Amino acid sequence: DAGITQSPRHKVTETGTPVTLRCHQTENHRYMYWYRQDPGHGLRLIHYSYGVKDTDKGEVSDGYSVSRSKTEDFLLTLESATSSQTSVYFCASRTRVGGELFFGEGSRLTVL
Amino acid sequence: ELKVEQNPLFLSMQEGKNYTIYCNYSTTSDRLYWYRQDPGKSLESLFVLLSNGAVKQEGRLMASLDTKARLSTLHITAAVHDLSATYFCAVEKNNNAGNMLTFGGGTRLMVKP
Repeated sequence: DAGITQSPRHKVTETGTPVTLRCHQTENHRYMYWYRQDPGHGLRLIHYSYGVKDTDKGEVSDGYSVSRSKTEDFLLTLESATSSQTSVYFCASRTRVGGELFFGEGSRLTVL
Repeated sequence: ELKVEQNPLFLSMQEGKNYTIYCNYSTTSDRLYWYRQDPGKSLESLFVLLSNGAVKQEGRLMASLDTKARLSTLHITAAVHDLSATYFCAVEKNNNAGNMLTFGGGTRLMVKP
């Protein structure tokens, strides 16, 4: 299994507070992705990265920002969390486009 | 905008029966993936289908791709309880950057004894 870890795995926060989720991979994968999973919606892409400091928006990027200063770390930030951002967040990475995508264990975020 | 639709959304079947999950997508794509997810767990890669007519099999699961019809199927043969899970298809389209995988809504499969 690819070494992809997410932290924290569970977080409860209040509306309006900032939240940062971390994805760390030890596979030297170039490409990294953040998805959110909600009932009835499958997985939806928030942001992705195709190299250090190279990122782009996905289909549900509003309210989220990302940063990638090192190959191994991809951070997802909610500047001011809202209840609609309550979700399970998955990080994924792969070595090349068209290659197998490996997923982390997920981070469950609850915004009260 | 690429749309990916799976059906059925929920499937309850008896052990030993056969069934097919369908994945339709709206625009031409470059690759199609199938994933499995157990409750509360991460996603596990099952198949990657690269070209028209591609067929891959692993145990009781067989996936196929028809790019002309923009359709992939995941066929389950002689289902067993251990296959109970949610199955997702995902479609990839080249964008000269990281490429994005667009996922279907998932099919929750329950296999009953």
